[in-house]
Amino acid sequence: DQQVKQNSPSLSVQEGRISILNCDYTNSMFDYFLWYKKYPAEGPTFLISISSIKDKNEDGRFTVFLNKSAKHLSLHIVPSQPGDSAVYFCAATTAGNQFYFGTGTSLTVIP
Amino acid sequence: GAVVSQHPSRVICKSGTSVKIECRSLDFQATTMFWYRQFPKQSLMLMATSNEGSKATYEQGVEKDKFLINHASLTLSTLTVTSAHPEDSSFYICSARDTTGRGQYFGPGTRLTVT
Repeated sequence: DQQVKQNSPSLSVQEGRISILNCDYTNSMFDYFLWYKKYPAEGPTFLISISSIKDKNEDGRFTVFLNKSAKHLSLHIVPSQPGDSAVYFCAATTAGNQFYFGTGTSLTVIP
Repeated sequence: GAVVSQHPSRVICKSGTSVKIECRSLDFQATTMFWYRQFPKQSLMLMATSNEGSKATYEQGVEKDKFLINHASLTLSTLTVTSAHPEDSSFYICSARDTTGRGQYFGPGTRLTVT
């Protein structure tokens, strides 16, 4: 049972525009959410996280939005750069428990 | 930031041999480590969860006798692929969860090729 879903396997965006990556979850007990970025043949790297007590967290060009009522989170990248091209995974967890990962969205930023 | 290393980064072995992959948390203690496998153009597949000092918990469909996991210390977990076959060729990634339970950090991965 996939508790965290990324329904878009791929996304293409023009350089300089906004990239919006979406993630849905089913377990209302999740209280902490993370986004990871992964380049080919490398391990995922942590990008940004958000606690369920917040609805927005911003770090430079990256902003994560959380809509608890919809069980939905999104990652916004503004402006998108070619170096942002990678696979992005969202993850959800509760303290001390397993992380659940989405299946990933492959972002291509076109120069 | 928290760093997780994996060794080796690449390994080529012959069918029937065993290969050991090490995963270390370099600057934090990890009571729990995870092993993932990634096939080309596919998502990460969780293979097993290991807790320091206890037996690993394997995901359904993962052979525990083939993929031996040892988590001997708070900073080291090993995955041994026994009697490797070409279909075991894959990219193996470990991750380590810190003691807060909020951080999970990934290693750089190990490319295993079985000939």
